[in-house]
Amino acid sequence: DQQVKQNSPSLSVQEGRISILNCDYTNSMFDYFLWYKKYPAEGPTFLISISSIKDKNEDGRFTVFLNKSAKHLSLHIVPSQPGDSAVYFCAASGASYDKVIFGPGTSLSVIP
Amino acid sequence: ETGVTQTPRHLVMGMTNKKSLKCEQHLGHNAMYWYKQSAKKPLELMFVYSLEERVENNSVPSRFSPECPNSSHLFLHLHTLQPEDSALYLCASSQEYTETQYFGPGTRLLVL
Repeated sequence: DQQVKQNSPSLSVQEGRISILNCDYTNSMFDYFLWYKKYPAEGPTFLISISSIKDKNEDGRFTVFLNKSAKHLSLHIVPSQPGDSAVYFCAASGASYDKVIFGPGTSLSVIP
Repeated sequence: ETGVTQTPRHLVMGMTNKKSLKCEQHLGHNAMYWYKQSAKKPLELMFVYSLEERVENNSVPSRFSPECPNSSHLFLHLHTLQPEDSALYLCASSQEYTETQYFGPGTRLLVL
């Protein structure tokens, strides 16, 4: 049973528009969430994170929103650029866990 | 060199071969990880080393054997693998046991 879910395997967005990537989790013990970006043939790169004490964290064009009651988080990229085309992994961890649980990833294509 | 490096980047091996994957981190981190990334599956944590001691082994078959001779180097020794072991093997490191992990580019393994 997947504890971290990304229900959209792929997403296409026009350049300049907003990309919204969604992630749902099942374990209420998770209290720290991360997004990773992965290009083909490369390892994942840490992008942005959020602690459960916040509901929003922003870094440049990237913003992560956390809705704890819904066990849902989302990554917003605005404006989207062709270089943002990659696979985005949502990940979660908690104080009682020694590891980070990754979702299956969403492949984002930004069309010029 | 900086960051996390992995060699080789690509590896093709037969089921009777013995090979080793190497990971080296230049970040001064104390924890290192091996992950397996199969197609259309979440990233799977295989092993965790903290201060050169194995702290986690996620029910990985014994045909995968990790070795951490010092805090900067991590190996994954492979023997009598199966075709279903074909995947991208990612190494990561982090300072202590924190959530933010920095990944290497991965070794793409094909078992024939």
